[in-house]
Amino acid sequence: DGGITQSPKYLFRKEGQNVTLSCEQNLNHDAMYWYRQDPGQGLRLIYYSQIVNDFQKGDIAEGYSVSREKKESFPLTVTSAQKNPTAFYLCASRLNRGGKGYTFGSGTRLTVV
Amino acid sequence: EDQVTQSPEALRLQEGESSSLNCSYTVSGLRGLFWYRQDPGKGPEFLFTLYSAGEEKEKERLKATLTKKESFLHITAPKPEDSATYLCAVQPTGNQFYFGTGTSLTVIP
Repeated sequence: DGGITQSPKYLFRKEGQNVTLSCEQNLNHDAMYWYRQDPGQGLRLIYYSQIVNDFQKGDIAEGYSVSREKKESFPLTVTSAQKNPTAFYLCASRLNRGGKGYTFGSGTRLTVV
Repeated sequence: EDQVTQSPEALRLQEGESSSLNCSYTVSGLRGLFWYRQDPGKGPEFLFTLYSAGEEKEKERLKATLTKKESFLHITAPKPEDSATYLCAVQPTGNQFYFGTGTSLTVIP
């Protein structure tokens, strides 16, 4: 079955460390997205990519970086510059055409220890 | 400014007690409105897409409707397994989506 896979499910980061969250999809979707979800807040867009080797900043890109070297993969790095990284991170994908919504992964919960 | 507001923030229902969740929006042109269900610790699961005012979609005990200013998610005779957070998202012209903060639904047996 096609889907979108995030790993790991839980991740712990020490102060000053960079960590990378994985997102892989086999849906042949063009666009991929990273969102951050905090209690009481809507999903906030971090970065998105509509085609390979191209990506744009979302509303809260500071302290994060991404790459899109393959259509299937869109990893997110949370750098030490992100001062409040503890959150639930969601990856999503969709076709650029057809007016369809997102397909989401199951999420990664990142905790700073 | 594009904005999505969901109400109520939380809703507790007795099993079988029907109700509605609201999603109001102000966007510059609507390409689509989307409803998702999210269980704790999991990613949102797609429920419905609505494209134009007057459109309705149904799935089991859920029915979504759309006007020019808002959408409703009607839940008929809910069961405990319908307990979840329901998210609304809108896509204005362009590729970015805007999400509401969700309604947390609890259905009590």
